Amino acid sequence: AQTVTQSQPEMSVQEAETVTLSCTYDTSESDYYLFWYKQPPSRQMILVIRQEAYKQQNATENRFSVNFQKAAKSFSLKISDSQLGDAAMYFCAYRGYSGAGSYQLTFGKGTKLSVIP
Amino acid sequence: NAGVTQTPKFQVLKTGQSMTLQCAQDMNHEYMSWYRQDPGMGLRLIHYSVGAGITDQGEVPNGYNVSRSTTEDFPLRLLSAAPSQTSVYFCASSYLQGYGANVLTFGAGSRLTVL
Repeated sequence: AQTVTQSQPEMSVQEAETVTLSCTYDTSESDYYLFWYKQPPSRQMILVIRQEAYKQQNATENRFSVNFQKAAKSFSLKISDSQLGDAAMYFCAYRGYSGAGSYQLTFGKGTKLSVIP
Repeated sequence: NAGVTQTPKFQVLKTGQSMTLQCAQDMNHEYMSWYRQDPGMGLRLIHYSVGAGITDQGEVPNGYNVSRSTTEDFPLRLLSAAPSQTSVYFCASSYLQGYGANVLTFGAGSRLTVL
């Protein structure tokens, strides 16, 4: 079974600074999808960014970018120019490309990010 | 555009009671699923469905039943609630094909407390 590990239960960043959240995963598959979800205090799960494993180029979405290292099975999220609204729980997630594994999203335990004004 | 609608948002039950968490989506998504979120545990898959009449178990299915009679609805039933089922429950859906196939849309969550 796939596992997703987020080794930083909590992190903090100064407003306007850059922060990187770590995620590692374990899989025997060669094709898969990786995601970062944000969960603010409202509890709503919001997709931040996604990466297809077959794409070598790192995904970016405005101030959010990833460092995808397939061989190392690492998928970190970088938030640039941090804003107060970025304060939330961030979850890394894995989804298989095909078969039964494509029907289940496996989540890490989350990293709580605080933004200091 | 409602997206994924979950009801109720909050519920308190006594041990042994039954209840149904409702989930409806209006995006014609083939895939629907239920997750539970517990502190320090992330989200864990309970059951999922890839179409009307088709359901399967996820990582933590014990104590829960599901059915999928229509594309739009995917209710989660607790037949005899236990304190261990105190959690926040999320319904999520997606397409099975195409660019959006692997992007889940989540409902707002339902907080369930079992006394």
